[in-house]
Amino acid sequence: QPVLTQPPSASASLGASVTLTCTLSSGYSNYKVDWYQQRPGKGPRFVMRVGTGGIVGSKGDGIPDRFSVLGSGLNRYLTIKNIQEEDESDYHCGADHGSGSNFVKVFGGGTKLTVL
Amino acid sequence: QVQLQESGPGLVKPSQTLSLTCTVSGGSISSGSYYWSWIRQPAGKGLEWIGRIYTSGSTNYNPSLKSRVTISVDTSKNQFSLKLSSVTAADTAVYYCARGGFWSGYFDYWGQGTLVTVSS
Repeated sequence: QPVLTQPPSASASLGASVTLTCTLSSGYSNYKVDWYQQRPGKGPRFVMRVGTGGIVGSKGDGIPDRFSVLGSGLNRYLTIKNIQEEDESDYHCGADHGSGSNFVKVFGGGTKLTVL
Repeated sequence: QVQLQESGPGLVKPSQTLSLTCTVSGGSISSGSYYWSWIRQPAGKGLEWIGRIYTSGSTNYNPSLKSRVTISVDTSKNQFSLKLSSVTAADTAVYYCARGGFWSGYFDYWGQGTLVTVSS
Protein backbone atom coordinates (compact mmCIF):
# COMPACT_ATOMS: atom_id res chain seq x y z
CA GLN A 1 0.00 0.00 0.00
CA PRO A 2 1.18 3.57 -0.58
CA VAL A 3 2.82 5.74 2.04
CA LEU A 4 1.81 9.41 2.00
CA THR A 5 4.39 11.92 3.21
CA GLN A 6 3.60 15.46 4.29
CA PRO A 7 5.88 18.12 5.80
CA PRO A 8 4.86 18.56 9.43
CA SER A 9 4.53 22.31 9.21
CA ALA A 10 4.16 25.26 6.87
CA SER A 11 3.57 28.96 7.32
CA ALA A 12 2.44 31.91 5.25
CA SER A 13 1.60 35.53 5.82
CA LEU A 14 -1.93 36.85 5.72
CA GLY A 15 -2.88 37.52 2.09
CA ALA A 16 -0.02 35.46 0.68
CA SER A 17 -0.14 32.08 -1.03
CA VAL A 18 1.09 28.70 0.12
CA THR A 19 1.39 25.29 -1.50
CA LEU A 20 1.14 22.16 0.60
CA THR A 21 2.57 18.90 -0.69
CA CYS A 22 1.54 15.29 -0.27
CA THR A 23 4.03 12.82 -1.73
CA LEU A 24 3.08 9.28 -2.65
CA SER A 25 5.62 6.51 -2.27
CA SER A 26 7.29 5.11 -5.37
CA GLY A 27 5.09 3.08 -7.67
CA TYR A 28 1.86 4.89 -6.91
CA SER A 29 2.04 7.81 -9.32
CA ASN A 30 -1.45 7.13 -10.70
CA TYR A 31 -3.16 7.42 -7.32
CA LYS A 32 -5.65 10.11 -6.45
CA VAL A 33 -5.41 11.87 -3.11
CA ASP A 34 -8.07 13.54 -0.98
CA TRP A 35 -7.29 16.73 0.92
CA TYR A 36 -8.96 17.45 4.27
CA GLN A 37 -8.86 20.61 6.35
CA GLN A 38 -9.01 20.30 10.14
CA ARG A 39 -9.45 23.49 12.11
CA PRO A 40 -8.31 23.50 15.75
CA GLY A 41 -10.57 21.37 17.92
CA LYS A 42 -12.77 20.35 15.01
CA GLY A 43 -13.30 17.30 12.85
CA PRO A 44 -11.81 17.19 9.35
CA ARG A 45 -13.61 18.67 6.36
CA PHE A 46 -13.23 17.44 2.79
CA VAL A 47 -11.49 19.98 0.53
CA MET A 48 -11.12 18.21 -2.80
CA ARG A 49 -9.65 15.19 -4.57
CA VAL A 50 -6.64 15.46 -6.88
CA GLY A 51 -5.03 13.23 -9.45
CA THR A 52 -2.33 13.84 -12.02
CA GLY A 53 -4.87 15.67 -14.16
CA GLY A 54 -5.87 18.05 -11.39
CA ILE A 55 -9.11 18.17 -9.46
CA VAL A 56 -11.30 15.07 -9.56
CA GLY A 57 -14.97 15.77 -9.06
CA SER A 58 -16.09 18.79 -7.06
CA LYS A 59 -14.79 20.75 -4.12
CA GLY A 60 -16.22 20.13 -0.71
CA ASP A 61 -19.11 22.23 0.55
CA GLY A 62 -18.09 25.79 1.33
CA ILE A 63 -14.52 25.49 0.08
CA PRO A 64 -13.62 28.88 -1.41
CA ASP A 65 -12.19 29.43 -4.87
CA ARG A 66 -8.89 30.37 -3.21
CA PHE A 67 -8.21 26.65 -2.82
CA SER A 68 -6.88 24.73 -5.82
CA VAL A 69 -4.98 21.51 -6.51
CA LEU A 70 -2.45 20.09 -8.93
CA GLY A 71 -0.88 16.69 -9.36
CA SER A 72 2.50 15.85 -10.83
CA GLY A 73 4.39 12.57 -10.65
CA LEU A 74 4.23 11.37 -7.07
CA ASN A 75 3.25 14.78 -5.69
CA ARG A 76 -0.22 16.11 -5.01
CA TYR A 77 -0.41 19.81 -4.23
CA LEU A 78 -2.94 21.98 -2.43
CA THR A 79 -2.51 25.71 -3.05
CA ILE A 80 -4.22 28.36 -0.99
CA LYS A 81 -4.17 31.90 -2.35
CA ASN A 82 -4.88 35.11 -0.42
CA ILE A 83 -4.57 33.26 2.87
CA GLN A 84 -7.04 34.21 5.57
CA GLU A 85 -6.90 33.69 9.32
CA GLU A 86 -9.52 30.96 9.08
CA ASP A 87 -7.20 28.90 6.84
CA GLU A 88 -4.94 28.18 9.82
CA SER A 89 -5.55 24.47 10.16
CA ASP A 90 -4.06 21.03 9.88
CA TYR A 91 -4.24 19.67 6.35
CA HIS A 92 -4.36 15.93 5.80
CA CYS A 93 -4.09 13.92 2.61
CA GLY A 94 -5.54 10.45 2.17
CA ALA A 95 -5.71 7.79 -0.52
CA ASP A 96 -7.58 4.59 -1.26
CA HIS A 97 -5.70 1.38 -1.97
CA GLY A 98 -7.08 -1.88 -3.25
CA SER A 99 -10.66 -3.00 -3.66
CA GLY A 100 -13.11 -5.49 -2.28
CA SER A 101 -11.76 -7.37 0.70
CA ASN A 102 -8.30 -5.82 0.21
CA PHE A 103 -9.43 -2.22 0.49
CA VAL A 104 -7.40 0.06 2.74
CA LYS A 105 -7.50 3.84 3.30
CA VAL A 106 -4.19 5.52 4.17
CA PHE A 107 -3.44 9.02 5.43
CA GLY A 108 -0.35 11.18 5.56
CA GLY A 109 0.91 12.62 8.82
CA GLY A 110 -0.70 16.01 8.22
CA THR A 111 0.73 19.51 7.78
CA LYS A 112 0.07 22.23 10.32
CA LEU A 113 -0.41 25.54 8.49
CA THR A 114 0.30 28.66 10.51
CA VAL A 115 -0.93 32.02 9.28
CA LEU A 116 1.53 34.76 10.25
CA GLN B 1 -28.13 18.04 6.45
CA VAL B 2 -26.51 14.78 7.47
CA GLN B 3 -25.04 14.72 10.95
CA LEU B 4 -22.97 12.08 12.69
CA GLN B 5 -22.51 11.88 16.47
CA GLU B 6 -20.12 9.60 18.33
CA SER B 7 -21.00 8.32 21.79
CA GLY B 8 -19.44 5.99 24.32
CA PRO B 9 -17.19 5.86 27.39
CA GLY B 10 -14.39 8.39 27.52
CA LEU B 11 -12.24 6.18 29.74
CA VAL B 12 -11.37 2.54 29.16
CA LYS B 13 -9.06 0.36 31.24
CA PRO B 14 -6.10 -1.41 29.63
CA SER B 15 -6.90 -4.87 28.22
CA GLN B 16 -10.61 -4.06 28.06
CA THR B 17 -12.78 -3.42 25.00
CA LEU B 18 -13.43 0.05 23.66
CA SER B 19 -17.00 0.46 22.40
CA LEU B 20 -18.33 3.44 20.48
CA THR B 21 -21.53 4.15 18.58
CA CYS B 22 -22.14 6.61 15.76
CA THR B 23 -25.68 7.87 15.35
CA VAL B 24 -26.59 9.21 11.91
CA SER B 25 -29.30 11.83 11.49
CA GLY B 26 -30.59 13.71 8.48
CA GLY B 27 -30.22 10.69 6.22
CA SER B 28 -30.66 6.95 6.16
CA ILE B 29 -27.71 4.72 6.95
CA SER B 30 -29.39 2.17 4.68
CA SER B 31 -28.68 4.25 1.59
CA GLY B 32 -26.67 2.10 -0.75
CA SER B 33 -24.49 4.98 -1.80
CA TYR B 34 -22.24 5.19 1.23
CA TYR B 35 -19.76 3.42 3.44
CA TRP B 36 -19.60 4.20 7.15
CA SER B 37 -16.14 4.50 8.65
CA TRP B 38 -14.20 4.93 11.86
CA ILE B 39 -11.02 7.02 11.95
CA ARG B 40 -8.89 7.95 14.95
CA GLN B 41 -6.31 10.60 15.77
CA PRO B 42 -3.87 10.41 18.69
CA ALA B 43 -3.08 13.77 20.22
CA GLY B 44 -0.80 15.80 17.99
CA LYS B 45 -0.67 13.12 15.32
CA GLY B 46 -2.24 12.33 11.97
CA LEU B 47 -5.39 10.46 11.07
CA GLU B 48 -5.54 6.66 11.11
CA TRP B 49 -8.29 4.79 9.29
CA ILE B 50 -9.72 1.99 11.43
CA GLY B 51 -12.25 0.43 9.09
CA ARG B 52 -15.58 0.74 7.34
CA ILE B 53 -18.90 -1.03 6.89
CA TYR B 54 -21.47 -1.10 4.13
CA THR B 55 -25.15 -1.45 4.88
CA SER B 56 -25.00 -5.06 3.72
CA GLY B 57 -22.66 -5.72 6.63
CA SER B 58 -19.58 -6.05 4.45
CA THR B 59 -16.50 -4.69 6.22
CA ASN B 60 -12.92 -3.63 5.58
CA TYR B 61 -10.37 -3.13 8.36
CA ASN B 62 -6.95 -1.59 8.74
CA PRO B 63 -4.59 -4.58 8.63
CA SER B 64 -2.68 -3.24 11.64
CA LEU B 65 -5.85 -3.34 13.77
CA LYS B 66 -7.80 -6.11 12.09
CA SER B 67 -7.32 -8.72 14.80
CA ARG B 68 -8.86 -6.42 17.42
CA VAL B 69 -11.57 -4.53 15.51
CA THR B 70 -15.23 -5.21 14.86
CA ILE B 71 -17.52 -2.74 13.11
CA SER B 72 -21.24 -3.43 12.97
CA VAL B 73 -24.35 -1.64 11.75
CA ASP B 74 -27.88 -1.36 13.16
CA THR B 75 -30.08 0.00 10.41
CA SER B 76 -33.16 0.06 12.65
CA LYS B 77 -31.46 2.61 14.88
CA ASN B 78 -29.56 4.36 12.06
CA GLN B 79 -26.32 3.62 13.91
CA PHE B 80 -23.03 1.87 13.39
CA SER B 81 -20.59 0.80 16.06
CA LEU B 82 -16.93 0.14 16.77
CA LYS B 83 -15.43 -2.40 19.14
CA LEU B 84 -11.68 -2.47 19.74
CA SER B 85 -10.47 -5.19 22.05
CA SER B 86 -7.40 -5.56 24.26
CA VAL B 87 -6.74 -1.83 24.32
CA THR B 88 -3.51 -0.25 25.52
CA ALA B 89 -2.40 3.33 26.08
CA ALA B 90 -1.49 3.46 22.38
CA ASP B 91 -5.21 3.35 21.58
CA THR B 92 -5.80 6.67 23.35
CA ALA B 93 -7.09 9.02 20.66
CA VAL B 94 -9.97 11.10 19.38
CA TYR B 95 -12.25 8.73 17.50
CA TYR B 96 -14.28 10.00 14.54
CA CYS B 97 -17.06 8.40 12.57
CA ALA B 98 -17.50 9.48 8.97
CA ARG B 99 -19.53 8.84 5.84
CA GLY B 100 -17.68 7.89 2.67
CA GLY B 101 -19.09 7.85 -0.82
CA PHE B 102 -19.45 4.42 -2.38
CA TRP B 103 -18.29 5.79 -5.72
CA SER B 104 -16.43 8.93 -4.71
CA GLY B 105 -14.50 7.33 -1.88
CA TYR B 106 -13.92 10.49 0.07
CA PHE B 107 -15.42 11.32 3.48
CA ASP B 108 -18.02 14.03 3.05
CA TYR B 109 -19.48 14.10 6.56
CA TRP B 110 -17.66 13.62 9.87
CA GLY B 111 -18.69 13.48 13.48
CA GLN B 112 -17.20 15.98 15.92
CA GLY B 113 -15.05 13.26 17.45
CA THR B 114 -14.88 11.78 20.92
CA LEU B 115 -11.78 11.41 23.08
CA VAL B 116 -11.16 7.95 24.46
CA THR B 117 -8.43 7.58 27.05
CA VAL B 118 -7.02 4.19 27.96
CA SER B 119 -5.84 4.28 31.55
CA SER B 120 -6.21 2.34 34.76
